[in-house]
Formats: sequence, C-alpha cells, structure tokens
Amino acid sequence: AQTVTQSQPEMSVQEAETVTLSCTYDTSESDYYLFWYKQPPSRQMILVIRQEAYKQQNATENRFSVNFQKAAKSFSLKISDSQLGDAAMYFCAYRSGAHFNKFYFGSGTKLNVKP
Amino acid sequence: DTAVSQTPKYLVTQMGNDKSIKCEQNLGHDTMYWYKQDSKKFLKIMFSYNNKELIINETVPNRFSPKSPDKAHLNLHINSLELGDSAVYFCASSHLLAGQSTDTQYFGPGTRLTVL
Repeated sequence: AQTVTQSQPEMSVQEAETVTLSCTYDTSESDYYLFWYKQPPSRQMILVIRQEAYKQQNATENRFSVNFQKAAKSFSLKISDSQLGDAAMYFCAYRSGAHFNKFYFGSGTKLNVKP
Repeated sequence: DTAVSQTPKYLVTQMGNDKSIKCEQNLGHDTMYWYKQDSKKFLKIMFSYNNKELIINETVPNRFSPKSPDKAHLNLHINSLELGDSAVYFCASSHLLAGQSTDTQYFGPGTRLTVL
C-alpha cells in the first residue's frame, strides 16, 4: 500500500523568507505522480505543483519548487519569498500511474506566515 | 467560470436523514471523485468514477452512493446519516486518457456536512 507522510503538523515563516515543507512516501510502483496542494481557510484544494516520477528535473512554479529525491522517496516543497497569502494547509499527495483511483494524501502541514 | 462546483456549501441535518450533495464540472473531464476530509484534516478518497468504471474505497459504508446522470455530474447520496458522517466532502475531476491516469485533479470548494 502507498502511504504519504508529512512529519511537520505546523510551521511558521517570516514574510519574504524561505520555508521548506517535508513529505515522504512509500510505494513499490515505478510510475507515479506527486503533488502539493494548498488548502486556504476557504477550504478549496488548490494545486500548487506536480512532479512526474520519471522526470529527474525538479518541478518549479514561480516561487514554489520541489526537491524530488526518488531513491529516498522524498518530495519536499520549498516556498521562496513567502507571502501572507501563502498561509494555508499544505497537503502532499501521491497518485498511482497505473490505477486512477489510487490517490493518497498526507496529513497536511499548517503554514503560518508572519508579517 | 467555476471549474468544479458543489452544492450546497453547507449542509446541516438530523441523524437518520437522507441527503445529497451535487457536483458538476465544466472541464470536459471524464473522471470524477469524491473525498472526505475529517476534523483532523485527513483527506481520503471515497469513490472514483468514469464512464467505464466505478471504484469504491472498501472502507466507505454502503449508505454512501455516487450517482452520475452524465459525465459532467457526480452526485453523492447519503442514506441514514450518522454523527460520524460530519465532515467536509470534496468533489474532484480529472481527464483519464486511454487507460492512463493523468496527474492533475481539480477540486471543488467542498461541502461541510454537519449531522446533529
């Protein structure tokens, strides 16, 4: 079974600083996708960034980037130049490449951004 | 231009009632999902559905049933509501191509269900 672990229930960062959220996963599959989703107080789940397991290059979306370590099964999210609007719950997620129904979320990390 | 919409946004009801939550997506996706997020923020998939296959997470009680009148809609019907059903329910959609799962799911805004 696939599991996704986020070991940091809550983190804080000063505005304009950089923060890294950790995520590890366990799988026996070779084909899969990894995601980071953001859930602000409005509750909507917003896709932040995704990474295909077959790609060695780390994904980047503006201020958001990942450090994908396939051998270590690690997928951390780095947020640069943190903004107040980045404050939210962040969920790491795993998606099987072979089975569209196998989509697993971590327990989430609450990010606080201090002005 | 809401991509995935859910109604209602809030639902408060008594134990034992039957209720439905509607979900619609205008993205042209062929696969839709229902998730449950409990009070501890754990998000678990309940159903995956496309026009070929309905997959039910084995932990979901049979009081829950998805109903899809067409590809753009996947409604969640719940019979005999229980206190433990209180949670936020998210609908999502994605595009499944020729047996390959694509990677991005688009989520609705969620429906907060409170069972009294």
